[in-house]
Amino acid sequence: AQSVAQPEDQVNVAEGNPLTVKCTYSVSGNPYLFWYVQYPNRGLQFLLKYITGDNLVKGSYGFEAEFNKSQTSFHLKKPSALVSDSALYFCAVRANQAGTALIFGKGTTLSVSS
Amino acid sequence: GAVVSQHPSRVICKSGTSVKIECRSLDFQATTMFWYRQFPKKSLMLMATSNEGSKATYEQGVEKDKFLINHASLTLSTLTVTSAHPEDSSFYICSVRGGGNEQFFGPGTRLTVL
Repeated sequence: AQSVAQPEDQVNVAEGNPLTVKCTYSVSGNPYLFWYVQYPNRGLQFLLKYITGDNLVKGSYGFEAEFNKSQTSFHLKKPSALVSDSALYFCAVRANQAGTALIFGKGTTLSVSS
Repeated sequence: GAVVSQHPSRVICKSGTSVKIECRSLDFQATTMFWYRQFPKKSLMLMATSNEGSKATYEQGVEKDKFLINHASLTLSTLTVTSAHPEDSSFYICSVRGGGNEQFFGPGTRLTVL
């Protein structure tokens, strides 16, 4: 069975500082990994994905994530946080099988202070 | 990416009534759609996988007689919450599997059962 862990319920950073939101996963075979962001009372917005290729994936709004197979991690990073980055972030994984759905972590609330 | 709409965006109903939520893929023919449920400040829980022209596949613990899913066409899937109760109040989100291993999400429907 596939699963995703986001060990932090909340991450607090000051504007301009780098941020990291952690994610580890468990899946059979090669994983498809995703990050989504959700603003209050809104749907999910896609940030980035790792399917294959370079371990460092660059996505929307200056975010990037690094796939680390040995540590089964896919941490989300941004060099300089903005107040507008404050939102709920979800890591998700899907097995490399047709018809399977994304399974989500519990989410991490990012709070960026000015 | 695929554009996904949901209707209604919000619905309030009395306990014991049934509510239908529509999910439309506006620019993509989706053979597979997914329905998720999200509790406040919690993760998305996969409820079922909806396949066009066939019965939905429900996740363990989800009552298929209570949450009726119909995927009658390549652009429309519906979720009907039958005999709704206050504990069914939640944010319901549908998702469409795109061609590039991504899932595209609708804006969600906020159901409140009084």
